[in-house]
Parts: sequence; structure tokens; C-alpha cells
Amino acid sequence: GNSVTQMEGPVTLSEEAFLTINCTYTATGYPSLFWYVQYPGEGLQLLLKATKADDKGSNKGFEATYRKETTSFHLEKGSVQVSDSAVYFCALGTTDSWGKFQFGAGTQVVVTP
Amino acid sequence: EPEVTQTPSHQVTQMGQEVILRCVPISNHLYFYWYRQILGQKVEFLVSFYNNEISEKSEIFDDQFSVERPDGSNFTLKIRSTKLEDSAMYFCASKRTSGGARADTQYFGPGTRLTVL
Repeated sequence: GNSVTQMEGPVTLSEEAFLTINCTYTATGYPSLFWYVQYPGEGLQLLLKATKADDKGSNKGFEATYRKETTSFHLEKGSVQVSDSAVYFCALGTTDSWGKFQFGAGTQVVVTP
Repeated sequence: EPEVTQTPSHQVTQMGQEVILRCVPISNHLYFYWYRQILGQKVEFLVSFYNNEISEKSEIFDDQFSVERPDGSNFTLKIRSTKLEDSAMYFCASKRTSGGARADTQYFGPGTRLTVL
């Protein structure tokens, strides 16, 4: 079946450091891939997405490239801020008509001043 | 910008009681979902709903759970007899179009935290 594996956290960084969160997936067909962010006490917000191989999603300085050959969708940001402290979820959208999502376990990121 | 809303934000109930969690999806969306997140765990799919019927459900979604779209705007999740292990954050989501060869973005509500005592 479809699944998403995400690196475990917490990841603790200093402000302006480089952030990478690894995400790999297994899936049949041609899934779409997403990163969602959950700030403390809030719901899931779409951060970025990619719908086909080699697509790059980007938003708010974050980027992720859909790599079919390595079945990966790693999230990166060149210079994090304290406000980026949150839990980040990698998600896979299945290609069946109903499109349910499979989520990774989530990675908590803590950015210190 | 349109958003998915959920009420209440926090629900406390006694074991064995019925609860109804409410969601208002984005108005022109056609597909609706419930997910749950037990504290510290991953977000899990519960059920999808389209054209006024369940399209898919997970093994978690047993006979104690039901969903309904009672009118043109609300989408509800009912748990008939709550158990301690039902304590979780419940997220409603909606999307506009079908997946086809690609799965579209789902827009999530802020969640309802259910605490079963």
C-alpha cells in the first residue's frame, strides 16, 4: 500500500540555519506530494505541493522537489526564522478518485534565536 | 479567502456518550474528509464522502462512527458511544475536484480536540 516515511524530530536549529526534512514515499501510480505545516495550537496548513516528477513546489522560502527516481520529496529552507517553529507533515495524495491522503509522522522543528 | 471551519474547537465528553463534530467545508468543494490525530501520532484518514455517500473508509471507521451532510453546508462526524481511545484531534478537509491522475489539494479545518473521560 501507499506510505510516507519522514525523518524523526525534534530538529533544533539556530535562526538563519539551513533546514532539511527528509521524506520518502511508496506508492502505486502517480501520486501528488504535499507538505503541510502545523503551528502550535493550530490546524494543518498547506505549505507547498508538487503533482508530477521533477516538479518543484515552493512557498515562504521553503522548497521541495518531487524525485521519482529516489521516491523522495525533501523539504528545505535556506535560512530559518523563529517563526518557522512548527510541526511539518509530508503527505501523499493517492491517485484513486477519492484522493485520501497518507501522512508521515510529522517532524517537529524548533528554531532558537 | 474561503476556509474550512470546525466546531467546537474543544469537546469534553464522558465515555459512552455520543458526540457530533461539525464542519463547514469550502462552499464549492465536492469531496469531504475526516482525519484524526491522536496526540503525538500521525494524522490518519477516517473517511471520505462524495455525492452524499461514503466513498471510502478506513478500518478505524467502525460502526460507532457515521458521517452526514444534513444540508448544503455542514458535514458532521458522529461517534455514537465514545471510548477513551477516541480522544484525538479531528480534522475535517475538503477539496474541489476529483483526483483523476493527480490528487488535488485538500484544505483542512483547524480541528476539534475531543477529550473522552
